[in-house]
Amino acid sequence: DGGITQSPKYLFRKEGQNVTLSCEQNLNHDAMYWYRQDPGQGLRLIYYSQIVNDFQKGDIAEGYSVSREKKESFPLTVTSAQKNPTAFYLCASNHGQSNQPQHFGDGTRLSIL
Amino acid sequence: AQSVTQLDSQVPVFEEAPVELRCNYSSSVSVYLFWYVQYPNQGLQLLLKYLSGSTLVKGINGFEAEFNKSQTSFHLRKPSVHISDTAEYFCAVILYGGSQGNLIFGKGTKLSVKP
Repeated sequence: DGGITQSPKYLFRKEGQNVTLSCEQNLNHDAMYWYRQDPGQGLRLIYYSQIVNDFQKGDIAEGYSVSREKKESFPLTVTSAQKNPTAFYLCASNHGQSNQPQHFGDGTRLSIL
Repeated sequence: AQSVTQLDSQVPVFEEAPVELRCNYSSSVSVYLFWYVQYPNQGLQLLLKYLSGSTLVKGINGFEAEFNKSQTSFHLRKPSVHISDTAEYFCAVILYGGSQGNLIFGKGTKLSVKP
């Protein structure tokens, strides 16, 4: 079945450490997105990519970085510059047109050790 | 810029009772509207969407929503809820023809269905 796979499901970060969250999709979608979810805050966009080798900052990009070397993959790195990284991270994808809903992975929960 | 307000952060109801989850948006131009559901520790799943046409939209799991342009609302309803409907529900809006990078989510409504 087609879908979006996020890994790992749980991740722990030490102080000063960078960690990378994986997102892979086999839906042949052009566009991919990373959101951060905090309790009571809804979803906030970190980065998005509408095509391979191109991506744009969302509302809260500081302390995060991404790459889009393959259509299927959009990894997110949480850098040590992100001082409050504890959150639930969601990856999504679609073909990019505004009338299309986004399909979501099951998320990665990041915590600080 | 558009915005979305979900008027209730938590809605407790008894099983088999009707429920309405409220969503209001602000935009001076046409929009597309979506409702998503999120079960604990999972991603979001699309319930229904309004793109154009009939203002009453039917979705999965017996949910429906009505688009009201004059009141800029898109309330979600279900005539009889089940325990399994316990989840968090998100309303989202995007401008017609806009970038998906500008999809705006509400802060969510937690529906708690009690036996």
